[in-house]
Amino acid sequence: AQSVTQLGSHVSVSEGALVLLRCNYSSSVPPYLFWYVQYPNQGLQLLLKYTTGATLVKGINGFEAEFKKSETSFHLTKPSAHMSDAAEYFCAVKGTGGYNKLIFGAGTRLAVHP
Amino acid sequence: DGGITQSPKYLFRKEGQNVTLSCEQNLNHDAMYWYRQDPGQGLRLIYYSQIVNDFQKGDIAEGYSVSREKKESFPLTVTSAQKNPTAFYLCASSIPGQGYTGELFFGEGSRLTVL
Repeated sequence: AQSVTQLGSHVSVSEGALVLLRCNYSSSVPPYLFWYVQYPNQGLQLLLKYTTGATLVKGINGFEAEFKKSETSFHLTKPSAHMSDAAEYFCAVKGTGGYNKLIFGAGTRLAVHP
Repeated sequence: DGGITQSPKYLFRKEGQNVTLSCEQNLNHDAMYWYRQDPGQGLRLIYYSQIVNDFQKGDIAEGYSVSREKKESFPLTVTSAQKNPTAFYLCASSIPGQGYTGELFFGEGSRLTVL
């Protein structure tokens, strides 16, 4: 069965520092992988997704993620954090089965301090 | 603009009362979903519907009910049988079928608090 593990429920960085949010997955088939962002009391917004092709995926707001099959990872990065990046981030993998649901990690809350 | 509208944004309920959360979409998507979000637990699937007049239980359906009478609408009722209903509820939609990547489109959520 598919599963997603996000390492670190809370990550804190300084403004201008590198952002690295970790995601590892398990999947019995080639995975479709996603990162979503959620601001307080709002819904989830798609940051980026990997389906097939290039393993380095660029998303909105300067974020990118690299699919590494050998490491079963899909870590999210941004070279320079901005105060507006403070939010919760969810990694997800497409499941298998009749309705192909998304399976979400527990989330990582990113804090950005001056 | 196309999107998913959830209402109400905030809702308070007394124990023993049923409440219904509304979800309407104008994206012309066939599939709709309800998720529950609790701190530190990610999103858990309550119910989903792939077509009108059909829906299936997700991972945590006990104490909830849904209907899908129209393509655009997928209301969720939180019944008095739900033991711990205080949570943030998210509605989503997608385009199923061959080639479907799994991408979901989300509404803004409804926060239910039981007093």
